[in-house]
Amino acid sequence: SQTIHQWPATLVQPVGSPLSLECTVEGTSNPNLYWYRQAAGRGLQLLFYSVGIGQISSEVPQNLSASRPQDRQFILSSKKLLLSDSGFYLCAWSSGVGVSSPLHFGNGTRLTVT
Amino acid sequence: GQQVMQIPQYQHVQEGEDFTTYCNSSTTLSNIQWYKQRPGGHPVFLIQLVKSGEVKKQKRLTFQFGEAKKNSSLHITATQTTDVGTYFCAGLGGYNFNKFYFGSGTKLNVKP
Repeated sequence: SQTIHQWPATLVQPVGSPLSLECTVEGTSNPNLYWYRQAAGRGLQLLFYSVGIGQISSEVPQNLSASRPQDRQFILSSKKLLLSDSGFYLCAWSSGVGVSSPLHFGNGTRLTVT
Repeated sequence: GQQVMQIPQYQHVQEGEDFTTYCNSSTTLSNIQWYKQRPGGHPVFLIQLVKSGEVKKQKRLTFQFGEAKKNSSLHITATQTTDVGTYFCAGLGGYNFNKFYFGSGTKLNVKP
């Protein structure tokens, strides 16, 4: 069966520090991968998605970036965090087969920028 | 860009009452999915609707997709405390099946 791992679960970082969140998927190949951000009590904002290694589509211009160095690895990064980067970051995968397939989310990372 | 609006933002009901959340898109959707997020958890897929006018049921949950494929609803009959959480719709655009745009969600609280 497929599983998705996302870490760390919580993170407290000072303003201006770098960020690296990692997500890996097991049990499937060539998944579509996604990074979403959820502000407290709000909806999910699509940040990046990837349909293959090295292929990244950015949805929102900001100080975040994403990379997919391996088929089942998706990394969210920032060189300098802003206070507004605080939120709940969710990685997700879908099979991308057919009309659409469901999103399967990781447990998320709660990021607090202080 | 594509927008998916969801109402209401919050709903407080007494256990046993019904609940409905509505999702509206500014553009025609290829399909729509519904997710539930328990407090402190991550969204979990509930169902997908593809056809115009489609209606699907899961026990006490009824999902509808509008004829124009621009709106959808989720109705819960006789709510239970286990229904507590935030319900999201996610619409997929007509040209890119890889991009899921989520509504703002409806947070449901059920009083026992």
